[in-house]
Amino acid sequence: KAGVTQTPRYLIKTRGQQVTLSCSPISGHRSVSWYQQTPGQGLQFLFEYFSETQRNKGNFPGRFSGRQFSNSRSEMNVSTLELGDSALYLCASSPRMEVTEAFFGQGTRLTVV
Amino acid sequence: TQLLEQSPQFLSIQEGENLTVYCNSSSVFSSLQWYRQEPGEGPVLLVTVVTGGEVKKLKRLTFQFGDARKDSSLHITAAQPGDTGLYLCAGAWGGGADGLTFGKGTHLIIQP
Repeated sequence: KAGVTQTPRYLIKTRGQQVTLSCSPISGHRSVSWYQQTPGQGLQFLFEYFSETQRNKGNFPGRFSGRQFSNSRSEMNVSTLELGDSALYLCASSPRMEVTEAFFGQGTRLTVV
Repeated sequence: TQLLEQSPQFLSIQEGENLTVYCNSSSVFSSLQWYRQEPGEGPVLLVTVVTGGEVKKLKRLTFQFGDARKDSSLHITAAQPGDTGLYLCAGAWGGGADGLTFGKGTHLIIQP
């Protein structure tokens, strides 16, 4: 069974630009969560989707948004990029609506210059 | 906001030694997971514990869930360089309806 696939793996953007990251969950998993990981803050929860509906949202500004498609694939978008948005963005899928285990992709390393 | 405290934050030991890392919270978990992450990769799920007092073993790794389901420990016996990585605990509350909250992790280095 294929794992969680995130694209692209690496991205360099300029301040003020926007970026879209993609995540394909494990086949059959309908829950997708997004996390931001930085050395100082660790893994911070961004949002979670189940069956195209956002169920939970972390404490991030409105510049961070996401969506989930009918095939469970998910995208997250960050607009008006800031230097502090540089991080490893991780997507995780879970088989159930109640997220008790997460299976992560390799992440997208975003660098904002 | 539920918080998970992991300790120690950093640990560097020699190959063959034993070690224990801890994960604590003031709240009761419905379940707790341990993950291992290598640089530039996503975390990999090691184990899930659900029942208070539960002990699970994965080769040289022993995971324990506290009786009150507020804390957990990971013990590694005879550590090897391949055990090097970031160990993360994550807790689910309310049966997972609110997602997972992660601790900041323990950076473990096993020196040959």
